Amino acid sequence: DAGVIQSPRHEVTEMGQEVTLRCKPISGHNSLFWYRQTMMRGLELLIYFNNNVPIDDSGMPEDRFSAKMPNASFSTLKIQPSEPRDSAVYFCASSYLVEQYFGPGTRLTVT
Amino acid sequence: EDKVVQSPLSLVVHEGDTVTLNCSYEVTNFRSLLWYKQEKKAPTFLFMLTSSGIEKKSGRLSSILDKKELFSILNITATQTGDSAIYLCAVDSTSGTYKYIFGTGTRLKVLA
Repeated sequence: DAGVIQSPRHEVTEMGQEVTLRCKPISGHNSLFWYRQTMMRGLELLIYFNNNVPIDDSGMPEDRFSAKMPNASFSTLKIQPSEPRDSAVYFCASSYLVEQYFGPGTRLTVT
Repeated sequence: EDKVVQSPLSLVVHEGDTVTLNCSYEVTNFRSLLWYKQEKKAPTFLFMLTSSGIEKKSGRLSSILDKKELFSILNITATQTGDSAIYLCAVDSTSGTYKYIFGTGTRLKVLA
């Protein structure tokens, strides 16, 4: 298995633009997590899905953030409109039971 | 509010030294604690701890949990430059699907 796949790996955009991050979890995993990592706040859970259903989105910063999981093999995290404070590395992780496997992350820079 | 606190925030040692990393937590319904190692990219899994007093060991790394005092330690003996990384502690405190709260990590640098 190729592991968790994320795209793009790097994204640079201007404030106000829409950003879409993509994730393909490991086949057979039933949980998917979106995290954001910054130097100041560390690794923060934004939202997670179980069997494609959003379970807890309390970590989503505000209405500008939204996430979907239309099927077991794909999820998106969208930011609209983006702001400079959204600059961070966004990780997607998937799991079957306990251990979470992380993707390589998307480094987002909003200028 | 659930929280996970790691200490120290950063640490610089020389090869061959032994280090101890700390993770303390306050959560409403503890289920498990995980340790991850993050080098340049994504975190990779090291250990899962659920029971007090049972040491988990993998090579030069070991970890133990104290559920009474609400903390865990990660020990690395005979450190090598390849151990340089951020070590993350995460606690699961839900009664349903696994959801982890991460600490901010300890940044370890091992000098040759």
